[in-house]
Amino acid sequence: KAGVTQTPRYLIKTRGQQVTLSCSPISGHRSVSWYQQTPGQGLQFLFEYFSETQRNKGNFPGRFSGRQFSNSRSEMNVSTLELGDSALYLCASSFEGFETQYFGPGTRLLVL
Amino acid sequence: ILNVEQSPQSLHVQEGDSTNFTCSFPSSNFYALHWYRWETAKSPEALFVMTLNGDEKKKGQISATLNTKEGYSYLYIKGSQPEDSATYLCACETGGGADGLTFGKGTHLIIQP
Repeated sequence: KAGVTQTPRYLIKTRGQQVTLSCSPISGHRSVSWYQQTPGQGLQFLFEYFSETQRNKGNFPGRFSGRQFSNSRSEMNVSTLELGDSALYLCASSFEGFETQYFGPGTRLLVL
Repeated sequence: ILNVEQSPQSLHVQEGDSTNFTCSFPSSNFYALHWYRWETAKSPEALFVMTLNGDEKKKGQISATLNTKEGYSYLYIKGSQPEDSATYLCACETGGGADGLTFGKGTHLIIQP
């Protein structure tokens, strides 16, 4: 079966802009989680969506938001981009929650 | 903020040798411990999820143990192969999952032929 897909794969933005990233989970998976990977902080949990509802949220400012659609596809939005938002953004899907998650290839965001 | 520590940060091992590394986490409010393998240019791959004290899981030559009372988990690789070269991440789930996952910084393992 098809794996988790993320678009776009690479993105360059400038400070102050906003960005939307997309994640399509494995068919049948209802949970989608988002993570940020930076060299300094490692992999950090952003939020988890299940059946169109945000269930869990990590310690990130309100500029980071997300949503999930009825087909379980999820989007993540970052407003007013800062240089420190440059990172690899990963999404992962699973049937219910944090049990075996399958990760997408990631979107690499560079903020100039 | 939950503190999940992994040691060592990096490790060089000869092919065929066995190795192990550690993940330490706060034992209070513990719910589950996850191990992932992350190879360069690939996505993280789930290895194990463990919840009970004393849990042991095995996948091929890789195994893991869990001690929730003292807050640590060991990952063992028996007879390392070059394809085992990767960063191994552990992540702790607390509060029944309500707090999300907190990851350690990983152990970067390099297997030298």
